Amino acid sequence: TQLLEQSPQFLSIQEGENLTVYCNSSSVFSSLQWYRQEPGEGPVLLVTVVTGGEVKKLKRLTFQFGDARKDSSLHITAAQPGDTGLYLCAGGGTSYGKLTFGQGTILTVHP
Amino acid sequence: GAGVSQSPSNKVTEKGKDVELRCDPISGHTALYWYRQSLGQGLEFLIYFQGNSAPDKSGLPSDRFSAERTGGSVSTLTIQRTQQEDSAVYLCASSIQGLWQFFGPGTRLTVL
Repeated sequence: TQLLEQSPQFLSIQEGENLTVYCNSSSVFSSLQWYRQEPGEGPVLLVTVVTGGEVKKLKRLTFQFGDARKDSSLHITAAQPGDTGLYLCAGGGTSYGKLTFGQGTILTVHP
Repeated sequence: GAGVSQSPSNKVTEKGKDVELRCDPISGHTALYWYRQSLGQGLEFLIYFQGNSAPDKSGLPSDRFSAERTGGSVSTLTIQRTQQEDSAVYLCASSIQGLWQFFGPGTRLTVL
């Protein structure tokens, strides 16, 4: 069984601070995705990384896939209250897109 | 519609009753997935459909759970003889290529 350990579970910071969320596994994944979910809604895909060592930037968000494709990180620079939400990492290990999700990180950014 | 829709948005039922949850995927998306989101458990994969067939049912927690898809479109997840541990948000997602899954808003199921 593939498992993804996501940390920290909770993060409460002030506007303008930087933060990093980690996603780790003992298994190799063919792809790693990051989602953001707001209350009462489904997760929304932020990024997909598929190559070991890959780094993708999306405005203030930087995503990295580990060289061995077992871990990933999400770094947010100068967090804003609008970044508040549940962040989920998910590993893909099949050709048809079955995802294994981490437990999630609840991020709260205070003005 | 433009996105994945699910109904009902909320369902409260009594222990032992059967429930049906519906998912309308994005038109043209051949792949459809059901997930369950519980407090402390994250999102758990339940079942995957390609067209009307379900090649991966490995996440269904017990034989009380079943799902079908008709016309390569709408899918129904049925839970028979509901138990309190079935309380969760049930999420449906659809996709063309698998990597980019679009999620619906979910159905929050509460079993009393």
